[in-house]
Amino acid sequence: AQSVTQPDIHITVSEGASLELRCNYSYGATPYLFWYVQSPGQGLQLLLKYFSGDTLVQGIKGFEAEFKRSQSSFNLRKPSVHWSDAAEYFCAVGGSGNTGKLIFGQGTTLQVKP
Amino acid sequence: GAGVSQSPRYKVAKRGQDVALRCDPISGHVSLFWYQQALGQGPEFLTYFQNEAQLDKSGLPSDRFFAERPEGSVSTLKIQRTQQEDSAVYLCASSPPPGQARYSNQPQHFGDGTRLSIL
Repeated sequence: AQSVTQPDIHITVSEGASLELRCNYSYGATPYLFWYVQSPGQGLQLLLKYFSGDTLVQGIKGFEAEFKRSQSSFNLRKPSVHWSDAAEYFCAVGGSGNTGKLIFGQGTTLQVKP
Repeated sequence: GAGVSQSPRYKVAKRGQDVALRCDPISGHVSLFWYQQALGQGPEFLTYFQNEAQLDKSGLPSDRFFAERPEGSVSTLKIQRTQQEDSAVYLCASSPPPGQARYSNQPQHFGDGTRLSIL
C-alpha cells in the first residue's frame, strides 16, 4: 500500500541553525514527491516537488530536498532557519502526471527558538 | 479568481444536521480534489473530479458524504446527518489539465479550507 511516514512529529531548532525533516515513502512505481508547508488556519503551500531528473531539488524560501531511491526517502533541508519558518510541514507522494490523489504524511511541527 | 476559494471558512453544526461546503477552483483547472484533515493529521484524500466527472470517490468515509461538480467548475461537498467524527478541516485543491500539471510550478493549488465543527 502507498504510504508516507514522517518520523518526527515535533522538532524544535534555534533560529539560524540548520534543519532536516525526514520523509520516507512506500510506493510501487516511480513516485512523484512533494513537500508542503501549512501555517495555522491556512491551506497548503508547495515548497518543492520531485518528478524526475536531478535528485537534489531546490524549492522556495531556501528549502531543498534530496530524493534517495535506495532509502525511499525525500528529506527536506534548510541551512539556516528563520523564525518565520515555524509551521507544519507535510511530505506527500503522488502518481504519474500528478493527475491523481496525493498521499500525505502525518506532518512535522517545526518550532523555532529565538 | 487568483486562487482556490472555499466557503464558508468556518461552519458549526449540531450533530445530525446536514452541511454543504463549497469550492471555487481556479478558472481553467479541470481537476478538483477534496481532502479531509483531522486535527494534528495530514490531509486524507476524499474524492477527485475531472471536469464534471467524479473519477475517484474511494476516500469518502461513508454514504453520508456526497460530492458534486455539475458544470465542471464549482464543487460542493455535502455531509448528511453529521456526526462528531466529521469535525475536521476540509480542503479543496485544483490543478491544470493533465498535460500541463507536470510542468506547473504548483501542480495542485489548495484553498484555505473549511473548518467544520460538529457539536
